[in-house]
Amino acid sequence: QKEVEQNSGPLSVPEGAIASLNCTYSDRVSQSFFWYRQYSGKSPELIMSIYSNGDKEDGRFTAQLNKASQYVSLLIRDSQPSDSATYLCAVGAGGSYIPTFGRGTSLIVHP
Amino acid sequence: EAQVTQNPRYLITVTGKKLTVTCSQNMNHEYMSWYRQDPGLGLRQIYYSMNVEVTDKGDVPEGYKVSRKEKRNFPLILESPSPNQTSLYFCASSLSGQGAYGYTFGSGTRLTVV
Repeated sequence: QKEVEQNSGPLSVPEGAIASLNCTYSDRVSQSFFWYRQYSGKSPELIMSIYSNGDKEDGRFTAQLNKASQYVSLLIRDSQPSDSATYLCAVGAGGSYIPTFGRGTSLIVHP
Repeated sequence: EAQVTQNPRYLITVTGKKLTVTCSQNMNHEYMSWYRQDPGLGLRQIYYSMNVEVTDKGDVPEGYKVSRKEKRNFPLILESPSPNQTSLYFCASSLSGQGAYGYTFGSGTRLTVV
């Protein structure tokens, strides 16, 4: 059974701080990793994808992948109240037709 | 605009009355999928389709049917809805099903079965 684990939160950070969201996965052959942002009552939106070890930066977002530790994280710099949402981690194994989603971490950025 | 379109957005129905939720994508994506999302349970996959006429069960297929007669459309059919199918439903598509590409999600359908 492939598992993707996330702390449900809520993670509360002050405006302007760095928010760090973490995700661990069980399937060692996983090759693709995604972060989605979901506002309450809305659909998930893909914000980051990462495929190799290391960091990938896109604006205020940085995804970090460590395959040896089976760990992927999302850093949000200069957090804004508009970043308040649930962040879903999804992991896809090579050749798998079914990416596995974590249950999400709720992030609250307070002014 | 590249998008996945679901209809209806909201639906209230009675137990046993057949319904169809439509899903259409305009990105020529091969892979399409249906999820339901319930509080505390996250996203659970109902059915998926690798391409036209190719469908398979996800984690929670009971009580649902799908078809993929055209590449762009992937309707979800509830032949005899029951209250435990009250949920938020999402259709999603991806360039391929190899796990290497992220999904584009539709706006969701909130279904209530009374």
